Amino acid sequence: AQRVTQPEKLLSVFKGAPVELKCNYSYSGSPELFWYVQYSRQRLQLLLRHISRESIKGFTADLNKGETSFHLKKPFAQEEDSAMYYCALMDSNYQLIWGAGTKLIIKP
Amino acid sequence: EPEVTQTPSHQVTQMGQEVILRCVPISNHLYFYWYRQILGQKVEFLVSFYNNEISEKSEIFDDQFSVERPDGSNFTLKIRSTKLEDSAMYFCASSTQGTTYEQYFGPGTRLTVT
Repeated sequence: AQRVTQPEKLLSVFKGAPVELKCNYSYSGSPELFWYVQYSRQRLQLLLRHISRESIKGFTADLNKGETSFHLKKPFAQEEDSAMYYCALMDSNYQLIWGAGTKLIIKP
Repeated sequence: EPEVTQTPSHQVTQMGQEVILRCVPISNHLYFYWYRQILGQKVEFLVSFYNNEISEKSEIFDDQFSVERPDGSNFTLKIRSTKLEDSAMYFCASSTQGTTYEQYFGPGTRLTVT
């Protein structure tokens, strides 16, 4: 079954500390993976996708097919990174399958 | 910067009533989507729409649901006879092209069925 798992509902780190938001997936084909972010009182927006291999706001995510993971990382967290983060996978029918989300809190 | 808009922001309706949720996608976008998120649960894909017809739909999108693009700007989701379990946040999204291109989301409509 196709599934995206974000094991942490809540992650709290201090400003300046490294951040890693975990995402694991279950998918039989070649996955297209995305990270979406939702800041407080704002809409969902795309943060990054694995095919573009870019770094957005200091965040990167590497697709690890062996571990079926697409963890989101940032070396030094900033307070403005506090938000809800969703990992999503696009299946062969072009439907986005979403993880449950991780709430990231950056403590000053 | 153009944005997807949704109205109303909050809709309260009684069980069995029909509701229409409205979305105005970004004007040059061609692909449109509806998602829902029940409180405390995952975002779920409902339907995608292109060239005036449904491209894909999930198992959730049964006969009680329909979508329409009645004019050049609006994209609507209709629930024919609402059930308590339809209470959720409904998000509309649009993209310039389909599949892996970035989807731009609206702020959502919170539907409460009583």
